[in-house]
Amino acid sequence: DAKTTQPPSMDCAEGRAANLPCNHSTISGNEYVYWYRQIHSQGPQYIIHGLKNNETNEMASLIITENRKSSTLILPHATLRDTAVYYCIVRPTDTGRRALTFGSGTRLQVQP
Amino acid sequence: GAGVSQSPRYKVAKRGQDVALRCDPISGHVSLFWYQQALGQGPEFLTYFQNEAQLDKSGLPSDRFFAERPEGSVSTLKIQRTQQEDSAVYLCASSSSSGVGYGYTFGSGTRLTVV
Repeated sequence: DAKTTQPPSMDCAEGRAANLPCNHSTISGNEYVYWYRQIHSQGPQYIIHGLKNNETNEMASLIITENRKSSTLILPHATLRDTAVYYCIVRPTDTGRRALTFGSGTRLQVQP
Repeated sequence: GAGVSQSPRYKVAKRGQDVALRCDPISGHVSLFWYQQALGQGPEFLTYFQNEAQLDKSGLPSDRFFAERPEGSVSTLKIQRTQQEDSAVYLCASSSSSGVGYGYTFGSGTRLTVV
């Protein structure tokens, strides 16, 4: 699976947009970009995923660059409850390797 | 059920003791995963089941770790002769499909402390 690089930590003011970057320069054509987050003392929670088009759901937006070497997760109006570790993961469509490979993620602290 | 349920929520074991951790996946979910998460680290894959078949156990750190899912639903992760380095949160996740497009649902984990 392609390796991802994320900043270890970020701060964001409550009510402002949080933009979390992820580099995946070795991503291959059949790999999707997934985002999960983990709030303290809970298991990881699925946020969004995409292949090459930008995606939006009720939680967030995912912007993938045209060359697919990087992406940005956008939380449009961050709240204190969005404080968590955010993981960017790339995963092949179906190669028999079905597990998610987590890195260290970005610890997002939303400030009041 | 509504989500993935794990029990116990917390477990303290004396070094050398055997422990069993239980995972109740979402009803009907075919795929089930176990992960180990050390303090301050991301979750690390341990093993994967598709129904009752254990298709990948490459992440199990030693032969003291054993997982089973005999009827394709509930799974148990067993650790024999626990050691201090086994202290971690053990997470279980299930998915309705192993294909892309399906998110994995995680339980809240079992925090194991070996003393």
